Amino acid sequence: GAVVSQHPSWVICKSGTSVKIECRSLDFQATTMFWYRQFPKQSLMLMATSNEGSKATYEQGVEKDKFLINHASLTLSTLTVTSAHPEDSSFYICSAPETGMYEQYFGPGTRLTVT
Amino acid sequence: SQQGEEDPQALSIQEGENATMNCSYKTSINNLQWYRQNSGRGLVHLILIRSNEREKHSGRLRVTLDTSKKSSSLLITASRAADTASYFCATPGGSNYKLTFGKGTLLTVNP
Repeated sequence: GAVVSQHPSWVICKSGTSVKIECRSLDFQATTMFWYRQFPKQSLMLMATSNEGSKATYEQGVEKDKFLINHASLTLSTLTVTSAHPEDSSFYICSAPETGMYEQYFGPGTRLTVT
Repeated sequence: SQQGEEDPQALSIQEGENATMNCSYKTSINNLQWYRQNSGRGLVHLILIRSNEREKHSGRLRVTLDTSKKSSSLLITASRAADTASYFCATPGGSNYKLTFGKGTLLTVNP
């Protein structure tokens, strides 16, 4: 099956700094990728849809200036958490469908801790 | 808001027993998917059932879909300790490829 990787798998940063998370589709091209965050023992909350070559589409309530998304190629999307605060600590997961398919392939997730 | 709602929220069974999880959703769909998430990991796609299908099998998994009741069920037969995970149903929301996830069922299979 298709493989999606994420890097880093975990990161600790200080308040006020920015953190970049990468999401790569390893063996297929992804014109669309999705970014989710997940709190402990809760479901996934869709943050934004990353579109290759165009601006990301953010879900209601998600600050686009705080969570910067760039989808510069057909295999890479990045999420940058800017001026991180402790409340941004969470598990961030990306996913991508193969073109024309409904099933999504998920990355292993990134655990972000802001101190 | 969550499109899908699973029940039960948590389920604990013994190895070898069957596990059944249910999902309800609110709007019309063209497919419904089930995913598994091991603790601290990403999600793995298990099975997709289309709106014109009533039942689908994949190995030890059996999924049913009742579009009139807007509900689906996932049955795992002959469960194993390795099946311990959270299980989520997901339905398309907005564009065909954007998914909305239910709250999930935490399944614990005791050896």
